[in-house]
Amino acid sequence: RKEVEQDPGPFNVPEGATVAFNCTYSNSASQSFFWYRQDCRKEPKLLMSVYSSGNEDGRFTAQLNRASQYISLLIRDSKLSDSATYLCAVNKVDSSYKLIFGSGTRLLVRP
Amino acid sequence: ETGVTQTPRHLVMGMTNKKSLKCEQHLGHNAMYWYKQSAKKPLELMFVYNFKEQTENNSVPSRFSPECPNSSHLFLHLHTLQPEDSALYLCASSQVPSRETQYFGPGTRLLVL
Repeated sequence: RKEVEQDPGPFNVPEGATVAFNCTYSNSASQSFFWYRQDCRKEPKLLMSVYSSGNEDGRFTAQLNRASQYISLLIRDSKLSDSATYLCAVNKVDSSYKLIFGSGTRLLVRP
Repeated sequence: ETGVTQTPRHLVMGMTNKKSLKCEQHLGHNAMYWYKQSAKKPLELMFVYNFKEQTENNSVPSRFSPECPNSSHLFLHLHTLQPEDSALYLCASSQVPSRETQYFGPGTRLLVL
C-alpha cells in the first residue's frame, strides 16, 4: 500500500458544482496533514492545513478522519479558476523530516 | 510572492555539463528541501537540510550534490546527468522539519539532452 494515495481523476465538473476529493494515508501515527494546489507547470502552493476538528476557508472545507485514515477536501460553488491539481501531504512518522505527497487529483471545472 | 526564489527557472544541459541550481528563502526558516517532480509522478523528496545540516538523502544518485552554506541558501550541483533526470526541481523551506508547512519556490525546469 502506498503511504499516501489519491484518485488521479480528472474530476470534470460544471461551474457551481460541489466536488470532494479524498486522500488516504497508511501510517496511523501521522500528525500533520496539508492540501496543496498546483497549477500546470507551477509550484505547489499551500491551500490549507487539516486540523483534527476540520477547518473551513471560504468555499473550501478540509476534514480529517483518523479512524479510516483519510483526509478530504470539499470545494463548493466551483469556479473555473479552481481547475488545478490538488496534492495532499502527510508527515512521515519516523526519525526523518519528511512530508509525503500524494500524486495529486486533477480538477477541471467547465463553463 | 518572493518567499522562496529559485534560479535558473529553465535549464537545458548536455550529459557532460556541470551546472548548479540555486534556491534562496526569505522567510527566516531553518529547514530546506530539494524535490524532484517528473511527469505523472508524485513529488520525490531528494534532500533535507535542517540548520544547514543534511538530515536526509533519499537514495539520490551521486550525480546530484547538494550544498547548504547557511539556512537561507541551498544549491544543487549537477554533473553527468542522464536524460531521465529531466524534471521540475523544486526547492522548499519550512520553519522546522516535518510537521510544519513547507513553502515552495517556483522550480527549475531541467532538460537533459
